[in-house]
Amino acid sequence: EVQLVESGGGLVTPGGSLRLSCAASGFSFSPYSMEWVRQAPGKGLEWVSSIGTSSSSMSYADSVKGRFTISRDNAKNSVYLQMNSLRAEDTALYYCARLHGTANNYYFDYWGQGTLVTVSS
Amino acid sequence: SYVLTQSPSVSVAPGQTARITCGENNIGSKSVHWYQQKPGQAPVLVVYDDSDRPSGIPERFSGSNSGNTATLTISRVEAGDEADYYCQVWDSSSGVFGGGTKLAVL
Repeated sequence: EVQLVESGGGLVTPGGSLRLSCAASGFSFSPYSMEWVRQAPGKGLEWVSSIGTSSSSMSYADSVKGRFTISRDNAKNSVYLQMNSLRAEDTALYYCARLHGTANNYYFDYWGQGTLVTVSS
Repeated sequence: SYVLTQSPSVSVAPGQTARITCGENNIGSKSVHWYQQKPGQAPVLVVYDDSDRPSGIPERFSGSNSGNTATLTISRVEAGDEADYYCQVWDSSSGVFGGGTKLAVL
């Protein structure tokens, strides 16, 4: 059974930092790109970041570019999101998701339960 | 860049058919994927590649995509189908989601 378990969320003051982790199990981790998607309270889904299979490619939403860094450790079946210079508008439930698909046609076939990040003074 | 437009809400009586749309210019040239999200739960993929269903998703869920509109159709709607539904495409190395549609079962 595929499982994605996020951790690392919490309350942080504006300008602070957090590192989210996502532990994957139940599938062969290294062949899959992995994603972070967030959802602000009462709002819709927003794609945040993507990392390729061997960390060769990473991409970010404009809203987090330059502040967030995605990474992965295939030996630990884990993906991470380092979040710096946090703002109130980064407050959200952060989901880890597995990317599936081919030829520039991708979708998120498995999701974790999310970890809550609250940015407030 | 893609901006996917969804109606905020759709209401339907049990047993009827619900149609949830996702609009963008020439969206028919992309593959569209749909997610169901119930309150307090993570999203679940219900349709991928316009019209395919993951294992475990009832046949009542179907999709189509042509021209400027993609549609998620839920036949014989049940109370348990009440949820938010999101469409999604992949564009320029990033995921793009619609704003979501709240399906209310009357």
